[in-house]
Amino acid sequence: QITLKESGPTLVKPTQTLTLTCTFSGFSLSTSGVGVGWIRQPPGKALEWLALVYWDDDKRYSPSLQSRLTITKDTSKNQVVLTMTNMDPVDTATYYCAQLTPRGIDYWGQGTLVTVSS
Amino acid sequence: QSVLTQPPSASGTPGQRVTISCSGRSSNIGSNTVNWYQQFPGTAPKLLIYSNDQRPSGIPDRFSGSKSGTSASLAISGLQSEDEADYYCAAWDDRLNAYVFGTGTKVPVL
Repeated sequence: QITLKESGPTLVKPTQTLTLTCTFSGFSLSTSGVGVGWIRQPPGKALEWLALVYWDDDKRYSPSLQSRLTITKDTSKNQVVLTMTNMDPVDTATYYCAQLTPRGIDYWGQGTLVTVSS
Repeated sequence: QSVLTQPPSASGTPGQRVTISCSGRSSNIGSNTVNWYQQFPGTAPKLLIYSNDQRPSGIPDRFSGSKSGTSASLAISGLQSEDEADYYCAAWDDRLNAYVFGTGTKVPVL
């Protein structure tokens, strides 16, 4: 059974750095073709893809947010970490991590709501 | 910020067929396969269709997908009240080197 779960702060202040951790089970990030990505969804709005890291440590970022994002993986811990710098109230959203397979973004975590407010 | 365009809403009555369009460009839908996701309020999206027209196990066959050129479609045949949800298309974009989602379509069952 594949599961993913996001963890991190629920409230951050403007200009702070957000660090989110995705802890997964049921698959290995050392398996060829597999990746883990992050997607966010502001309240009442559409999904927005942020970043992903592949099994071979290849990393891709949203062009509009690339300067603020860093994604890393710890295969031994089955974790992927996303950091986003210089948080702003417009970054308030539910942040999801998800497994990427040859089928595309496949299994999703439950999501974690992050509010940016002073 | 969404690169793929969907209609905001597509309503239907129980038993009807509803179709949702997803319009992109040559760098995304025109070059790569399309996935569709179903999302109920307050829950994470779920993979509904992958590789344009393939259903994961457990997805009813009343859901079907297709692609032609730079557009894709999701059809729901025999609409049921439990299908009331938001639906998103998605594809990789070779020009942006990024995964892109559609604007989302709300499907109310009247």
